[in-house]
Amino acid sequence: NAGVTQTPKFQVLKTGQSMTLQCAQDMNHEYMSWYRQDPGMGLRLIHYSVGAGITDQGEVPNGYNVSRSTTEDFPLRLLSAAPSQTSVYFCASSLSRWLPETQYFGPGTRLLVL
Amino acid sequence: GNSVTQMEGPVTLSEEAFLTINCTYTATGYPSLFWYVQYPGEGLQLLLKATKADDKGSNKGFEATYRKETTSFHLEKGSVQVSDSAVYFCALRDDKIIFGKGTRLHILP
Repeated sequence: NAGVTQTPKFQVLKTGQSMTLQCAQDMNHEYMSWYRQDPGMGLRLIHYSVGAGITDQGEVPNGYNVSRSTTEDFPLRLLSAAPSQTSVYFCASSLSRWLPETQYFGPGTRLLVL
Repeated sequence: GNSVTQMEGPVTLSEEAFLTINCTYTATGYPSLFWYVQYPGEGLQLLLKATKADDKGSNKGFEATYRKETTSFHLEKGSVQVSDSAVYFCALRDDKIIFGKGTRLHILP
């Protein structure tokens, strides 16, 4: 049982480049989410999904796309990277959005946009 | 809207000292309250939770009591260890989880 895995661990991008942050879980969790963590800002919700084929926007969705074709995977796409997207990104999953006590976080992806 | 406010850090204590990290919330209704811990280089982990007024959550020597009258959920530990050095986040759940900004804790040996 690997829990929540994220790749890559570190990434450097140039402004305007695109990339996909990968997230996978092997716990058959229905709810998955992406957060960004910035100094002094805590965690802010980017996008979330309550099940395969269903996604919705969180607090800071601009500049990011997501899809949920399978229960296991929830990739986050940066369409045209900007320096303001320099952050640490965390993926999380839980049995349900109403059961945060079952939530597991991945180890994070540190992204630097130059 | 709903929000969580926690004391700013960093907080630096000596080993075996008493710890309090303050957390207050603003919410309609009665949300569930949580404390998460983030160790260096890792994601967040749930530390403890409370789902209704006067509930006390506890784990690993940490405690927090859901105080409706003061809208607070302060985290306490009687004797901290170096291994408790981490960032601690207070959070509430309405239809999503709302996190505080985090408090960095340094424990000196």
